[in-house]
Amino acid sequence: GAVVSQHPSWVICKSGTSVKIECRSLDFQATTMFWYRQFPKQSLMLMATSNEGSKATYEQGVEKDKFLINHASLTLSTLTVTSAHPEDSSFYICSARDGARLNRLSNTEAFFGQGTRLTVV
Amino acid sequence: LAKTTQPISMDSYEGQEVNITCSHNNIATNDYITWYQQFPSQGPRFIIQGYKTKVTNEVASLFIPADRKSSTLSLPRVSLSDTAVYYCLVGPWMDSSYKLIFGSGTRLLVRP
Repeated sequence: GAVVSQHPSWVICKSGTSVKIECRSLDFQATTMFWYRQFPKQSLMLMATSNEGSKATYEQGVEKDKFLINHASLTLSTLTVTSAHPEDSSFYICSARDGARLNRLSNTEAFFGQGTRLTVV
Repeated sequence: LAKTTQPISMDSYEGQEVNITCSHNNIATNDYITWYQQFPSQGPRFIIQGYKTKVTNEVASLFIPADRKSSTLSLPRVSLSDTAVYYCLVGPWMDSSYKLIFGSGTRLLVRP
């Protein structure tokens, strides 16, 4: 079945540095991917929608200059947390749907990556 | 998007059937009802989806009444490994621009 893969699974970085998280759709093309953030014991919060070949759309309250999203190909979106601080420590998750199946009006689930645990020290 | 309401938490014992109900009073005509399961430190995993009546797969059943204002996820004979958070999502699934918005979910604890 379709799989979405995230890398790395976990990362520890120093305060002030930047961290890049990759999200890949392994066997389908995704014109749109979604990035979520999840704090302990809380639900997933949608941060932004990543659109292939165009600018990402950010949810209200999410700083676009801090969370840089690049969707350069139909199978890869990246989230870069710039100048990370301890309050950015969280679990980041990406999601994608098979655009081709949607275009054929064929139902398709949304696949999620395994998540990336970011710890900023 | 339709607002969903689920119990915050539920307790059960191994071997029991667990039913988690989700309320979505303002569901729209194009909306589907989808349930996801999430284990700690993992991304959510699709369980089941339906539009109306009853849907069953190898993992669960989904019951949707005629008015579609609620739905019930049924997990037969739960085991310890079913301890997880379960999310009910309601939205225009066939719309490619649909953004999956997660509510608070139901934290299910299965005891021995």
